[in-house]
Amino acid sequence: DVKVTQSSRYLVKRTGEKVFLECVQDMDHENMFWYRQDPGLGLRLIYFSYDVKMKEKGDIPEGYSVSREKKERFSLILESASTNQTSMYLCASSLQGRMGYNEQFFGPGTRLTVL
Amino acid sequence: EDQVTQSPEALRLQEGESSSLNCSYTVSGLRGLFWYRQDPGKGPEFLFTLYSAGEEKEKERLKATLTKKESFLHITAPKPEDSATYLCAVQAGGGADGLTFGKGTHLIIQP
Repeated sequence: DVKVTQSSRYLVKRTGEKVFLECVQDMDHENMFWYRQDPGLGLRLIYFSYDVKMKEKGDIPEGYSVSREKKERFSLILESASTNQTSMYLCASSLQGRMGYNEQFFGPGTRLTVL
Repeated sequence: EDQVTQSPEALRLQEGESSSLNCSYTVSGLRGLFWYRQDPGKGPEFLFTLYSAGEEKEKERLKATLTKKESFLHITAPKPEDSATYLCAVQAGGGADGLTFGKGTHLIIQP
């Protein structure tokens, strides 16, 4: 089974802090993704990565950056956390663009609260 | 812009009462339509992928179908453990691999 793990289930930070959210997958997937999930808005794509050191902006990249130094690890960085970044953050991974294998597998999520 | 609309927003059924959830989509070139199940406080769990109109997939009490404009998730004789939020998502042919999600249907099965 694909396993996607996230470094924290719950995180509380203060406004202005730099925040790192870590995600690791163990299935040698090329693609990794970061989403946020908010009530009434659903899941929205922040950033994704096709390969090591590659990154692409999703629908809502403002206020975030990412890092992928190793294939299995994808980090989401909040350079200066703000209260409107309080949310559930979900990491996902998938195989590279092969028909029949495009499904994304999600981690358990990190609930981030910014005070 | 890709859009996914799920209905109803919430559905309450008695145990054993079959029903269907709807997912309408507008995309520029569908690469895949995905159904996920999400329990409270957890990440989405993959259920099905559908690629072309007319395709159907089944898993236990769930059956997903796809037309050119919408997908249905049919739930036959549901049990309380089927209670969850069901999410529909599409992957478009524009090149990006990110999914566009609907807001989900919150399903409650009462014993």
